[in-house]
Amino acid sequence: QKEVEQNSGPLSVPEGAIASLNCTYSDRVSQSFFWYRQYSGKSPELIMSIYSNGDKEDGRFTAQLNKASQYVSLLIRDSQPSDSATYLCAVNSAGGTSYGKLTFGQGTILTVHP
Amino acid sequence: ETGVTQSPTHLIKTRGQQVTLRCSSQSGHNTVSWYQQALGQGPQFIFQYYREEENGRGNFPPRFSGLQFPNYSSELNVNALELDDSALYLCASSLAGVQNIQYFGAGTRLSVL
Repeated sequence: QKEVEQNSGPLSVPEGAIASLNCTYSDRVSQSFFWYRQYSGKSPELIMSIYSNGDKEDGRFTAQLNKASQYVSLLIRDSQPSDSATYLCAVNSAGGTSYGKLTFGQGTILTVHP
Repeated sequence: ETGVTQSPTHLIKTRGQQVTLRCSSQSGHNTVSWYQQALGQGPQFIFQYYREEENGRGNFPPRFSGLQFPNYSSELNVNALELDDSALYLCASSLAGVQNIQYFGAGTRLSVL
């Protein structure tokens, strides 16, 4: 079982729709959870961080965390063509000798079509 | 703009050669992490440096080594390059203990021929 798994893509949504991206993780002691956006040929850009169970909203983005189910998701409302990118879920398992290590999923490619 | 800079942006090497990649952290950040991202995959953790000491290592062989300097800039060295080392190498800086938020540089694209 992979440590961090994301829903297989690619995901295609029409402009203005809600895009839903999902991620599960295996390490129960994980404490910090992140969503990065990566445009083709570019480096990952942090768009959301979440640390507690529940929802966290930032503009059109909402991150949801359920530690009991080891599940984290990202919702993008009113999707725009500029949201077309690869979305990476990253989990931090602090402590031990790997303090601050991020474990990434394989990424989900999102395409928003006009 | 994350304030994390990497050099060079692109590099072509041949198998068996050695390479050094450089990273300048965001001002005030005392931790640097290096990741390897192969095409179509998520980044893989190589190692992390905190206050000039290695603070954790992923599943990479010893020919991958690093340094962090007093000004918190960092180097990634790879010896005896193999074809599979072709990837995007990402440096991320962070402030230890502050929610572990890591900010990435633009990366170095390494091609091994």
